[in-house]
Amino acid sequence: AQSVTQLGSHVSVSEGALVLLRCNYSSSVPPYLFWYVQYPNQGLQLLLKYTSAATLVKGINGFEAEFKKSETSFHLTKPSAHMSDAAEYFCAVISSASKIIFGSGTRLSIRP
Amino acid sequence: DTGVSQDPRHKITKRGQNVTFRCDPISEHNRLYWYRQTLGQGPEFLTYFQNEAQLEKSRLLSDRFSAERPKGSFSTLEIQRTEQGDSAMYLCASSSPLGQGGDTQYFGPGTRLTVL
Repeated sequence: AQSVTQLGSHVSVSEGALVLLRCNYSSSVPPYLFWYVQYPNQGLQLLLKYTSAATLVKGINGFEAEFKKSETSFHLTKPSAHMSDAAEYFCAVISSASKIIFGSGTRLSIRP
Repeated sequence: DTGVSQDPRHKITKRGQNVTFRCDPISEHNRLYWYRQTLGQGPEFLTYFQNEAQLEKSRLLSDRFSAERPKGSFSTLEIQRTEQGDSAMYLCASSSPLGQGGDTQYFGPGTRLTVL
């Protein structure tokens, strides 16, 4: 069965600093992996997805993630944080039945 | 492409009442999903449809929950005899036929249910 684990329920960085949100996955088959962002009282917006085409995936808003099979990781990064990046971020994997299995989320705060 | 829409956005009800939520997927998408998200948690899968057929239901979907997609377009999720534990955000998502980006699900804004 597929699963994802997000390390750190809350991450705080200064504006302009590097953002690193950690995600490890477990899957018996090559996974499809996603990062979604959720702003308060809103639905989820897809940031980026990995579908085995390239290990470094670029998404919207300057975010990117690297798939590392040896480490079973899919960490999300952004070189320079902006105040508008403050939100909840979810790592997710799609199961063989096409349903998405989400991690528990990481709340990103940006300090001025 | 107008996106996935959900109605209502907020619902407050008293324990024991029935509630119904509606989801309108992106028009050409044939797969529709329901998820539930409680405070501080990631969304959890409830059920999904391919066209009008309900193909999978989570064990989270008790007998008080029922979902329909009668014409393969919009879907409804009904909760009977609501309980305080049903308070959550109910999210709907849709995706296109497999092989056409079918692995990407697009989410609606959600319906926030509060059971008093």
